[in-house]
Order: sequence, then structure tokens, then C-alpha cells
Amino acid sequence: EAQVTQNPRYLITVTGKKLTVTCSQNMNHEYMSWYRQDPGLGLRQIYYSMNVEVTDKGDVPEGYKVSRKEKRNFPLILESPSPNQTSLYFCASSPGSEPTDTQYFGPGTRLTVL
Amino acid sequence: AQSVTQLDSQVPVFEEAPVELRCNYSSSVSVYLFWYVQYPNQGLQLLLKYLSGSTLVESINGFEAEFNKSQTSFHLRKPSVHISDTAEYFCAVSLTHAGGTSYGKLTFGQGTILTVHP
Repeated sequence: EAQVTQNPRYLITVTGKKLTVTCSQNMNHEYMSWYRQDPGLGLRQIYYSMNVEVTDKGDVPEGYKVSRKEKRNFPLILESPSPNQTSLYFCASSPGSEPTDTQYFGPGTRLTVL
Repeated sequence: AQSVTQLDSQVPVFEEAPVELRCNYSSSVSVYLFWYVQYPNQGLQLLLKYLSGSTLVESINGFEAEFNKSQTSFHLRKPSVHISDTAEYFCAVSLTHAGGTSYGKLTFGQGTILTVHP
């Protein structure tokens, strides 16, 4: 089944404890992206990748890192999480190298930082 | 820099009434424009998009949006809504190079919750 998977789906952690949220797609998509969704603020793009080894900042990259070593995986790393990073996170991918095609979204990861 | 403003955070409407969800963007260069929909407890789905050509674009479920460059708007409309249209709707913009390819960054608006009442 064609899909975008994220792990974990739910995570409660403490301030400063490094964590990684994994994202994997099995559709051979070029474009991948991470978003956070907060009430009243909509979706905000954290980082995106138009191809392997090519990543760039979205609107809210502070406090996050990403890497795209292989086409299928795009992990999101929080080196030192803080409470303001408590949010619902979505990974997405699309076939071309631009976000002009339909984006396929993962199920979301709900992160709470205490 | 690019930004998107959705002028209404919530729009309540009765079934079979028309609806318009407003979206304005800010950009000094050419743009691609999108509307996404998020049904309750689901992920986002692309509803329709404007890349080039006709300024009026349509979705398969009766929504349409018109790109208005002079007013920097991309409002979403439907002449007659159904209960099943209840969802949150997001407008998004991506800047493009002079040659027509996207920079890759996608900026979303704050979202408009459309609630259709019987």
C-alpha cells in the first residue's frame, strides 16, 4: 500500500531530551516536507526537501534539523526540545521535486514537551 | 517573502446555501496557489490548485477558486454546500522562479473551519 508512515504517533518527553521523529514513504517521491499544526496558526512548514541531499528551511525551522540521505526517509530531529515545540507534526511527500502535485500526508505525530 | 491570510477563521452556513472562503496572499513574484481540505480526524487532501493558464480552477466535488492577480486573492466558492463539506480548509502559496518552477517552500494560511448545518 502506498503510504507515508511516521513514528512515533504519540510522544511525551521532557525539555532538552533529544528526539527523532521518523518519516518514510514507499512511493519513490522526490519532494518531502515537515509541517507542524497548531490551533489558530494552521500548518507551518518546518523544512522541505526537493531531492536527496537537498533540504531547505520552511517558515519555522528554528529548533529543528532534518536530513535526506536516501529518497524514502526524511527524519525530523529535535536536538533540545522545548515546551513551545509541543504540537501535531505531519510529514508529507509528493511525486515531483516541487510541491505542485498532490501531497500525501502521514498520519501525524502528537508531541508533548514538558 | 510569502504570506497567506485567510480572512475568516470560522464560517457557519446552512446546507444548500452558497459559501465563499476568502484567501489573500502577499508576494512580489509569481505564485502557485492551492486549497487543501482537512476532514475531522484526517490528514490534509489537495482540493484544487492554480499553476498557470485559466484563472478559474475547479475541483471534482463542486468547489471552484479564482486567481485574481490584481487583488492577490484566491477565494474558494461553492454554490450549494452539503453536510459532508464540513471541514477545515487551508489556502497555501508557493513562489515560483521566472521560468515557472517552484522555489519549493509552501506557506499555508491559518485555516477556515466550514461548518454546514442542516
